[in-house]
Amino acid sequence: QKEVEQDPGPLSVPEGAIVSLNCTYSNSAFQYFMWYRQYSRKGPELLMYTYSSGNKEDGRFTAQVDKSSKYISLFIRDSQPSDSATYLCAMGGAQKLVFGQGTRLTINP
Amino acid sequence: DGGITQSPKYLFRKEGQNVTLSCEQNLNHDAMYWYRQDPGQGLRLIYYSQIVNDFQKGDIAEGYSVSREKKESFPLTVTSAQKNPTAFYLCASSITGLATGELFFGEGSRLTVL
Repeated sequence: QKEVEQDPGPLSVPEGAIVSLNCTYSNSAFQYFMWYRQYSRKGPELLMYTYSSGNKEDGRFTAQVDKSSKYISLFIRDSQPSDSATYLCAMGGAQKLVFGQGTRLTINP
Repeated sequence: DGGITQSPKYLFRKEGQNVTLSCEQNLNHDAMYWYRQDPGQGLRLIYYSQIVNDFQKGDIAEGYSVSREKKESFPLTVTSAQKNPTAFYLCASSITGLATGELFFGEGSRLTVL
């Protein structure tokens, strides 16, 4: 079993829709939870960062962490075509950082 | 403008050849990393370095080598011992250690073995 599981998609939604991206994990030592966004043929960029459980909001993006269920989510409101990218979850703790496979998202105008 | 510069962006190699990928950062970060990205596999850590003149193997170090002679530079050599080197290679840096995850990535180097 992988330490971090992420559905690779692809996921295609119409512009303006609410998007939900998710990851599950198995290692209880993870305390740092991140979402990276990667445009085609580019390096990933840090989008959201959360320490421990709870919610964090930044504009149209909301990150949620549920440590009891070992489940993290990223919500995108009012999705735009410019949000089309691959989204990678990542989790850190116990001197390691583990990335999910990435979910490829397309927002259709 | 601070950031990480990787070169070349695209590289072709014949089987049996060693190639070196360059990574330079001007963010004044102590830690630097090399990742490999393959379709459907996420990012896998090759090597990382927390300080100059010191580096550690990651999860898939076999067939790769690195050096860290300067804080700004962390070149990766893909040797002929790497059996499947065709991939997208990403260099990253951070202020804090690996586990905290606040990494800044370069734009990547795509290596193709002919």
